Amino acid sequence: EIVMTQSPAMLSVSPGERVTLSCRASQSVRLNLAWYQQKPGQAPRLLMYSVATRDTGVPARFRGTGSGTDFSLTINSLQSDDFAVYFCQQYDQWPLTFGGGTKLEI
Amino acid sequence: QVQLVESGAELKKPGSSVKLSCRVSTDTFTSYAISWVRQAPGQGLEWVGGVRPTFGAPNYAQAFQGRVAFTADESTQTVYMELRALRFEDTAVYFCTRAGIMATANYFFAYWGRGTRVTVSP
Repeated sequence: EIVMTQSPAMLSVSPGERVTLSCRASQSVRLNLAWYQQKPGQAPRLLMYSVATRDTGVPARFRGTGSGTDFSLTINSLQSDDFAVYFCQQYDQWPLTFGGGTKLEI
Repeated sequence: QVQLVESGAELKKPGSSVKLSCRVSTDTFTSYAISWVRQAPGQGLEWVGGVRPTFGAPNYAQAFQGRVAFTADESTQTVYMELRALRFEDTAVYFCTRAGIMATANYFFAYWGRGTRVTVSP
């Protein structure tokens, strides 16, 4: 099983700042990496897939980079709507696995 | 627009079974895998397994092998997940999801239902 590790677990940031979230895979997942955003009481929402492709309606301030085992999600000019938990997920191999999440708080 | 509508909350006793449903509103029901992803209270996300309706056998995460079964009814575009021998640690919200890639066994989750809360308690 591919273990996905996200860091940090929690990040305190201010609106307007830029933040970078990290996701590391225990073995190469090539470019088969997705990111999700989850707000309290809601289902996760797909943000990015294939590392860097934004899903429909996702603002351009979200940017995904990386390949193999090391990935990042950068959010430029944080807005109040961005404070949430972010999960990465690999879909290179079964079982499909998620990282533990990074919580962005104000 | 793809919509996933799940069945309502369940309260179950340890050792019993639960069967959840997910009705999928789409014109491509058999083309994409439907998965269940669960989230225990305050925890992360865990893939339970997935099935491409009417096309091949379901795939289950090893942690659930032998306890879970997925079935699909093409006539109602509904997928069912049955989880047996429930344990306290099965208490979670179970999300029905649809894959973002057609006709593949490796996928991300493009569409999510609102989730079904399952509580296992004596």
